[in-house]
Amino acid sequence: NAGVTQTPKFQVLKTGQSMTLQCAQDMNHEYMSWYRQDPGMGLRLIHYSVGAGITDQGEVPNGYNVSRSTTEDFPLRLLSAAPSQTSVYFCGTSNTGELFFGEGSRLTVL
Amino acid sequence: TQLLEQSPQFLSIQEGENLTVYCNSSSVFSSLQWYRQEPGEGPVLLVTVVTGGEVKKLKRLTFQFGDARKDSSLHITAAQPGDTGLYLCAGAGQIQGAQKLVFGQGTRLTINP
Repeated sequence: NAGVTQTPKFQVLKTGQSMTLQCAQDMNHEYMSWYRQDPGMGLRLIHYSVGAGITDQGEVPNGYNVSRSTTEDFPLRLLSAAPSQTSVYFCGTSNTGELFFGEGSRLTVL
Repeated sequence: TQLLEQSPQFLSIQEGENLTVYCNSSSVFSSLQWYRQEPGEGPVLLVTVVTGGEVKKLKRLTFQFGDARKDSSLHITAAQPGDTGLYLCAGAGQIQGAQKLVFGQGTRLTINP
């Protein structure tokens, strides 16, 4: 039972490079979200989706894009990475309000 | 500005002691969740409180939702080294026109043997 799978687990980028963090879930959850976790800041919502074809911005959306073409997948794109995007990223999914998280993706931007 | 303020942010105590972690806001939430996170893993839900004044117990952990649904507390009795971790509160409600879940900064708890 995979639950929520995030890839990659670790990534190092140079400033200006682009990349996509993948999130896949096999729980048939309608709600999917991306958070970033920084020391002393808790988890901050980047983008979220309440179903396929629907996305919306969270607290800190700048510099990130998302799409939701299927129920299962919710990729997070960084078009031009900046050092301020160095963080640990978590994908969370839900059907009942309780969030189920992946193991996280640690991103370093040099 | 953090919508949910947790205190303390760091707490280191000896095994067997009691402790309380607070989660405060000026906003009203429809529910409040507490998560626990271990290093290298995502947060895992401990409990959800929904009704103002509600108290829930999970073994040695007692969770309370404030009467006005703006604050919550987590009390641990006779703390054990296995309680060590990052504790996060999260409030669910209408924020900026949409139903969202927002997190506090977290309380990093260390229980020393």
